[in-house]
Amino acid sequence: DVKVTQSSRYLVKRTGEKVFLECVQDMDHENMFWYRQDPGLGLRLIYFSYDVKMKEKGDIPEGYSVSREKKERFSLILESASTNQTSMYLCASTPRALYGYTFGSGTRLTVV
Amino acid sequence: DQQVKQNSPSLSVQEGRISILNCDYTNSMFDYFLWYKKYPAEGPTFLISISSIKDKNEDGRFTVFLNKSAKHLSLHIVPSQPGDSAVYFCAASSSGAGSYQLTFGKGTKLSVIP
Repeated sequence: DVKVTQSSRYLVKRTGEKVFLECVQDMDHENMFWYRQDPGLGLRLIYFSYDVKMKEKGDIPEGYSVSREKKERFSLILESASTNQTSMYLCASTPRALYGYTFGSGTRLTVV
Repeated sequence: DQQVKQNSPSLSVQEGRISILNCDYTNSMFDYFLWYKKYPAEGPTFLISISSIKDKNEDGRFTVFLNKSAKHLSLHIVPSQPGDSAVYFCAASSSGAGSYQLTFGKGTKLSVIP
């Protein structure tokens, strides 16, 4: 069974901390994505990557960066966490065009 | 500018009845549509999809209808069960450039009342 694994289900961090959210997929997918989900706002794309070392900004990249050094791993970095980054973060991957995403279970991040 | 719209934030349905979730899109380049289901504290899971060459796709209790002229799709769940209570996201993509990207609606929270 294909899997997208996010390293933490719940995280609590302090304002100003540097936060790393890790995502690993075992499906050899080229394309990986980071979304955040907030009530009433749906799924909003932060960053995506279509190949190793490649990255593209999504709709809300401000305050975030990403790293993709290996095909299976896509990391989301909050350079200096702020309370408005409290959210559910979802990683997803897909092998090709016109194909659905496989999502991870999500990381609920709280910034205090 | 929202390209995929789910205008009903929530929907309540009695168990055993039909649930109809609606989705509208504005981008005429979209030609592939998906529905995802999400429980709290879990990632979305794929439910059903439809290509623009079809107007209906069925999988068990779930049917998706596509009306291309109206740029509208709907998800029908018959009969509805309490376990169907979740947030449902409509998503769309196009076969053009960047076609691995999905554009999501804001979701509709379905509550099935026993």
